[in-house]
Amino acid sequence: DTEVTQTPKHLVMGMTNKKSLKCEQHMGHRAMYWYKQKAKKPPELMFVYSYEKLSINESVPSRFSPECPNSSLLNLHLHALQPEDSALYLCASSLGLAGGQRSYEQYFGPGTRLTVT
Amino acid sequence: GNSVTQMEGPVTLSEEAFLTINCTYTATGYPSLFWYVQYPGEGLQLLLKATKADDKGSNKGFEATYRKETTSFHLEKGSVQVSDSAVYFCASFNAGNNRKLIWGLGTSLAVNP
Repeated sequence: DTEVTQTPKHLVMGMTNKKSLKCEQHMGHRAMYWYKQKAKKPPELMFVYSYEKLSINESVPSRFSPECPNSSLLNLHLHALQPEDSALYLCASSLGLAGGQRSYEQYFGPGTRLTVT
Repeated sequence: GNSVTQMEGPVTLSEEAFLTINCTYTATGYPSLFWYVQYPGEGLQLLLKATKADDKGSNKGFEATYRKETTSFHLEKGSVQVSDSAVYFCASFNAGNNRKLIWGLGTSLAVNP
């Protein structure tokens, strides 16, 4: 099973709302990622968790707050977003960050399409 | 720094035509190389990979060979179908560097019946 699930599929929120995106995988992967993707562009890395600890933060604004409650779950908490934050948010996981060739393969979820009004 | 360059799209082909999407990379050391595909309205799927020179990745009729001498990883398919219409991303990963996937800009493919 190489499935990463994300909920919700679509989300519309106002600039004063607080919402959360959820991601789950049951492949035993120990690295999990959040990406932001604008239309017709490659995904941009936001955060990386390795063994439930934040490993990389790509200077993402504090209105995005990641959380990794356990090795299978990854959340992205959203607060006071701007219209330019509207995008497809993708979660991914990999076996690890390093240590063997298969560690590097990232498996992506279907994404949450976020619209900020 | 590390980078990945893909041929610009969009690429439009007729069904059963031969497909090549060029990808070249710059990197220190020997990165792992990947092709991801994104169908309309969906997330990214790993299409194929290669982890060392002369490796050939293949899946669903697509192939790509890791060429160290030309720093390339071109994607090919002998006979495309309408269902192959998607955006294709080439990416590299160098664990010894910044441990991030480095992405090409993507190539949009449209296959007409």
